[in-house]
Amino acid sequence: RKEVEQDPGPFNVPEGATVAFNCTYSNSASQSFFWYRQDCRKEPKLLMSVYSSGNEDGRFTAQLNRASQYISLLIRDSKLSDSATYLCVVILNTGGFKTIFGAGTRLFVKA
Amino acid sequence: GAVVSQHPSWVICKSGTSVKIECRSLDFQATTMFWYRQFPKQSLMLMATSNEGSKATYEQGVEKDKFLINHASLTLSTLTVTSAHPEDSSFYICSAEGKREAFTDTQYFGPGTRLTVL
Repeated sequence: RKEVEQDPGPFNVPEGATVAFNCTYSNSASQSFFWYRQDCRKEPKLLMSVYSSGNEDGRFTAQLNRASQYISLLIRDSKLSDSATYLCVVILNTGGFKTIFGAGTRLFVKA
Repeated sequence: GAVVSQHPSWVICKSGTSVKIECRSLDFQATTMFWYRQFPKQSLMLMATSNEGSKATYEQGVEKDKFLINHASLTLSTLTVTSAHPEDSSFYICSAEGKREAFTDTQYFGPGTRLTVL
């Protein structure tokens, strides 16, 4: 089982739609969680951190459920420019820090 | 799913030594591999793009003579940090670009290599 799993998609949605991505992690030593956005052939860029209390930034909301070991990202009112791959990232603390990247979920927003 | 490995996963070395990091695509052929660096609390930064059989393309500000990249086969790329110094201490991540049918190329990330230069 992969340490971080995401639905690869792609998600094809119309403009204005609400779309949700989920990510599950298997290691209880997971300490920090992030969502990255990656445009085609570009480096991933940090989108937002994820906290148990939830984190909202404009149209984006991230949630962490430690009991179920999953992270979610909700995008409201999708824009064409939201089309990208969204990477779930987990940092483990097992004596040292280890960063695990999910494979990413591809989103296509269409007019 | 596609698997990318890196070796070593962590390395500690003395200042002035050279360190080689390997990136392998284990179950697919990767025509393009990318090398990233991540400093604490910062996002990944692309260092260079490596195409099999050709010279790597370096991002602005990345010294090609210091960070030597070799992409000798469709499954292996290496990054050598020459004459490493403490400021080179970072987390180095590679990714390999595979092909998914019907979609554009997708990058699969390796687990990263943590380099500490003393």
